[in-house]
Amino acid sequence: DGGITQSPKYLFRKEGQNVTLSCEQNLNHDAMYWYRQDPGQGLRLIYYSQIVNDFQKGDIAEGYSVSREKKESFPLTVTSAQKNPTAFYLCASAMNLDYEQYFGPGTRLTVT
Amino acid sequence: AQSVTQPDIHITVSEGASLELRCNYSYGATPYLFWYVQSPGQGLQLLLKYFSGDTLVQGIKGFEAEFKRSQSSFNLRKPSVHWSDAAEYFCAGGSQGNLIFGKGTKLSVKP
Repeated sequence: DGGITQSPKYLFRKEGQNVTLSCEQNLNHDAMYWYRQDPGQGLRLIYYSQIVNDFQKGDIAEGYSVSREKKESFPLTVTSAQKNPTAFYLCASAMNLDYEQYFGPGTRLTVT
Repeated sequence: AQSVTQPDIHITVSEGASLELRCNYSYGATPYLFWYVQSPGQGLQLLLKYFSGDTLVQGIKGFEAEFKRSQSSFNLRKPSVHWSDAAEYFCAGGSQGNLIFGKGTKLSVKP
């Protein structure tokens, strides 16, 4: 059953801790993305990767880091430098940069 | 600057009525255009896409959208809304993976 998985669905952390969100896809897609969604703001791009071992900053990359060591995996680390990390995080993938994106179910991160 | 605008934050329609959700884009060239739907606490599901060619595109769940270059619009339509269509709808446009999303239109359906 092909798709994109994100885990966990809900994540709670204390302020000052780094946290890593998982994103895995078995669609054999080259491109992967991370978005942040806040109420009334739509989706904002954090990072994207068009190929293994390569990734680019999006509009709001400050306080986040990513890696792309395997084609199917694109984990996102929310560092303590991110000033307002509480949000809904969505991972997406696409065949390549010129194709439509497919989204995972999301991870809701709450930092207190 | 490139932008995607959804002028309506919230729309309420009666079940069985027709629906049109507005989307306007601002790009130098014709962008790729998409409509996605999101249920509360879920990811986004692709409804339809426009890359080039026929300006009227059909999608899933009975939705369609029409690309109008002269109006810089890509409005989403459905002839008869079902209660299960209640959700938030996002228009997105861009190229080379640089998608810009509108802020969404929340659709409520009344019986």
